[in-house]
Amino acid sequence: GDSVTQMEGPVTLSEEAFLTINCTYTATGYPSLFWYVQYPGEGLQLLLKATKADDKGSNKGFEATYRKETTSFHLEKGSVQVSDSAVYFCALILYNFNKFYFGSGTKLNVKP
Amino acid sequence: GAGVSQSPRYKVAKRGQDVALRCDPISGHVSLFWYQQALGQGPEFLTYFQNEAQLDKSGLPSDRFFAERPEGSVSTLKIQRTQQEDSAVYLCASSFRGDRYGYTFGSGTRLTVV
Repeated sequence: GDSVTQMEGPVTLSEEAFLTINCTYTATGYPSLFWYVQYPGEGLQLLLKATKADDKGSNKGFEATYRKETTSFHLEKGSVQVSDSAVYFCALILYNFNKFYFGSGTKLNVKP
Repeated sequence: GAGVSQSPRYKVAKRGQDVALRCDPISGHVSLFWYQQALGQGPEFLTYFQNEAQLDKSGLPSDRFFAERPEGSVSTLKIQRTQQEDSAVYLCASSFRGDRYGYTFGSGTRLTVV
């Protein structure tokens, strides 16, 4: 079945460190891929997206590249800030657009 | 309003009690979704509406769960005879015409069954 697997957290980094959060997927068909971020007490916010193989999504210094050959969509940021502390969810949606599949989330803690 | 509004923000229910959770989508958004997010987990799909039509309810965990959107705008998720395992955050999301790029999530309702 369709699913998303992402690395378990929490991930603890010092400010300005490099971030990678791994995400792999299984999908019947050609999904679009997303990263959502959830700050404490808030709803999910779209961070970035990619709709086809080799697309790179980017926003606020975060990047992820849709890799069909490895079925991956790893999230990266070159220099994290304390304000990036949140839970990050990888997700996919299939062509019919009516159901997201989310990973279990990765909590990021950035220390000053 | 500018975003998806959910109410109440928090709900404590005694086991066996019925609850109703409300979602006000963004005006004009045709598609509406409900998700259930257990503690420490990712959201899981419950049901999907396009206007007033419930097109997919495959994620509803039991017949105690019921969702409606009678006029194609506000939606209500009802849980009858609540159980402890129903404790979770219930998220609502809406989009314009099922636009896969434009889903907006609400802040959720945290349901605690005691």
